[in-house]
Amino acid sequence: DTGVSQNPRHKITKRGQNVTFRCDPISEHNRLYWYRQTLGQGPEFLTYFQNEAQLEKSRLLSDRFSAERPKGSFSTLEIQRTEQGDSAMYLCASSFRVPEEAAINEKLFFGSGTQLSVL
Amino acid sequence: KQEVTQIPAALSVPEGENLVLNCSFTDSAIYNLQWFRQDPGKGLTSLLLIQSSQREQTSGRLNASLDKSSGRSTLYIAASQPGDSATYLCAVSRYNTDKLIFGTGTRLQVFP
Repeated sequence: DTGVSQNPRHKITKRGQNVTFRCDPISEHNRLYWYRQTLGQGPEFLTYFQNEAQLEKSRLLSDRFSAERPKGSFSTLEIQRTEQGDSAMYLCASSFRVPEEAAINEKLFFGSGTQLSVL
Repeated sequence: KQEVTQIPAALSVPEGENLVLNCSFTDSAIYNLQWFRQDPGKGLTSLLLIQSSQREQTSGRLNASLDKSSGRSTLYIAASQPGDSATYLCAVSRYNTDKLIFGTGTRLQVFP
C-alpha cells in the first residue's frame, strides 16, 4: 500500500493521559500536514513539516501538543494531559511541493485518520 | 480572514439525478481550490484541484468550476449513484500560507 498510513485507527483514553499518534506519508512526499476534525466540521489545520522542519503551528496547537518528523519520514503527534475537548479525528496528509514554488498544483493525500475519544 | 461556506449542508436525491454542490470563499487571493470526498469515519479523498488561473476541471461524472472573482465554486455530479453518498468538502489554498481552509461540507445521500 503506497498511501498515507495512520496508527492507531482508534484511541480511547482517560482524561489526563498522554497519547501519541503516528503518520507514515507517501514515501517521496516532502510535506506532511496534521489536521483535526470534529463532528460536522471541516478539518482544521494544526501544523506542517517540510522534510524534518516544522514550519508552521496553528494557535489551536496548545503547549500540550507536540509534533515531530525525525529524518523527514514518519511523523508523530503527541497530546499530553488529554482533555475531553481533544476528542476529534486527527488527520495526516502528505504532498510533494517543488522547492521554491507556490502551492498552485499541490495536491494533498490524506490518511484514514486516528479517532481520539477522551473519557 | 478566509472563510469557506458550503451550501446546502445536506442533500438527499434519487439515483440518476444531476446535482450541484456550492462552495463560496471570502478572499479571492488563492492558489487553488480543491474538492474532497469523505466517507463516514474515514479520511479525505481528493477529487479535483482547480488552479486559480483555471475555470474548471473534469473527472468522469464530476465537473468543478471556479469563479475566483466572485469567490464561488460548484461541483456538478452527473447521473448520481448510491455510491456517491458521502460528505463533499471544498478547501482553498490561500496566498502566502501553506494550509488549506475547509468548508463544513455537504452531506449527500443518493437513494436507489
